[in-house]
Amino acid sequence: DAGITQSPRHKVTETGTPVTLRCHQTENHRYMYWYRQDPGHGLRLIHYSYGVKDTDKGEVSDGYSVSRSKTEDFLLTLESATSSQTSVYFCAISVGAVGDKFGYTFGSGTRLTVV
Amino acid sequence: KQEVTQIPAALSVPEGENLVLNCSFTDSAIYNLQWFRQDPGKGLTSLLLIQSSQREQTSGRLNASLDKSSGRSTLYIAASQPGDSATYLCAVSPVFTGGGNKLTFGTGTQLKVEL
Repeated sequence: DAGITQSPRHKVTETGTPVTLRCHQTENHRYMYWYRQDPGHGLRLIHYSYGVKDTDKGEVSDGYSVSRSKTEDFLLTLESATSSQTSVYFCAISVGAVGDKFGYTFGSGTRLTVV
Repeated sequence: KQEVTQIPAALSVPEGENLVLNCSFTDSAIYNLQWFRQDPGKGLTSLLLIQSSQREQTSGRLNASLDKSSGRSTLYIAASQPGDSATYLCAVSPVFTGGGNKLTFGTGTQLKVEL
C-alpha cells in the first residue's frame, strides 16, 4: 500500500522467542496503530502512537510492547511469543485524531505463526 | 464497551444484483463510521467514511448510510460485479477520549458475486 510498508510479510517463530515487527510510513502522519486480525474477532487494537515516543495501550496489549523513535517507524515487539499470538498483524496510519475526515490507511499485513 | 456486529457473515449473489450489507453498533456515541474492503491476503482499503453528523456518503456504485440513534449503518452496492467479491468491514470511532482514532471493527461480511 502506498505510503505504508510492513516487514516482514511472513514470519514463523518458536514459542518463547522475541519477535519485532516493523511499520514504516512515508506520509508523515502523526498517528500510527497496530491491530491484529483473528477469525471470529475482527481487527483488535494492540497499541497506538500519537507522536514520537508517545504511545498507549489498546484493547489487547498484554504480551506486546511498542516503540516509536521516529515519526516514520512504529515497532511492535512480542516479548516472548506464544501460540495465542499467531495472527495477522496490521499497521495503520491516520492524519489526525477522532473526527479526521481522511480516515485510515492500512499496511498489507504481517502473517505471524508461532510454533 | 462498544460492540460492532455485521450481518450476514457471508453472502453470495449473482452478478448485476443490488445488495445491502448491514452493520450495527451498541454505543451510539460515535464520531464517525468507516466501511472497508479487504481482499484475501491483503490489507484494508477504505471505501467510505461517514461523520456522525452525516446521514450518508456515496462513491460510485457504493452508498453508505448512518442512523446513529438506532446504531445502524448499511452499505448499498448497486449492480454488483465479480470484482466486488471481498470481505467488507465496518468500523466505528469513539467520541474523542484523547490520543488517536481508535477503531472498533465488526467481523465482516464475506461477499461473493458470481457470474
